[in-house]
Amino acid sequence: SQKIEQNSEALNIQEGKTATLTCNYTNYSPAYLQWYRQDPGRGPVFLLLIRENEKEKRKERLKVTFDTTLKQSLFHITASQPADSATYLCAPMDTGRRALTFGSGTRLQVQP
Amino acid sequence: DSGVTQTPKHLITATGQRVTLRCSPRSGDLSVYWYQQSLDQGLQFLIQYYNGEERAKGNILERFSAQQFPDLHSELNLSSLELGDSALYFCASSVGTLREYGYTFGSGTRLTVV
Repeated sequence: SQKIEQNSEALNIQEGKTATLTCNYTNYSPAYLQWYRQDPGRGPVFLLLIRENEKEKRKERLKVTFDTTLKQSLFHITASQPADSATYLCAPMDTGRRALTFGSGTRLQVQP
Repeated sequence: DSGVTQTPKHLITATGQRVTLRCSPRSGDLSVYWYQQSLDQGLQFLIQYYNGEERAKGNILERFSAQQFPDLHSELNLSSLELGDSALYFCASSVGTLREYGYTFGSGTRLTVV
């Protein structure tokens, strides 16, 4: 069956460091993958979309990589700030699917 | 404000009851998606509508139903409620294909069944 794995343990890092979050997927052949940020009790917010032919995508301090051979996406936040503390969700998407399936998310805590 | 409006924000009701959750998508978005988020399950896709028609179904219980109206707002009906239905219910909309665009989520309705 299809599976999306994100580290369930919280990631704690110091302000200013680079945070790296991992999304592994099984039994998917995603044509693209999306990342979202979710704060407690609020709806997720769309951050980035990367396609299978795009190995890397950047937006301000965010960088996403997509390795279809390893079946993995990495999400990086450089120069992290306490305001980046949130849960980050990934959603790989197969061609032909009409709705996103989300991983359970990784909680990031940036310490000042 | 994301542009997706969900009402009510909070709902407390008893087991066996029926409730209706409402969602108005962002202006111009034709697709509406409903998700359930509970502590132990993460975000679970329930159902999608596009311009009034059902397009995709996820793990939606038979006790749950939804519809999208001509003005594109959507309602999720939950009946014969059980304690386990307590969760955050999110509505999301999208402007076009998910190949190009992400979802815009509303702020959710927190349902508590007692």
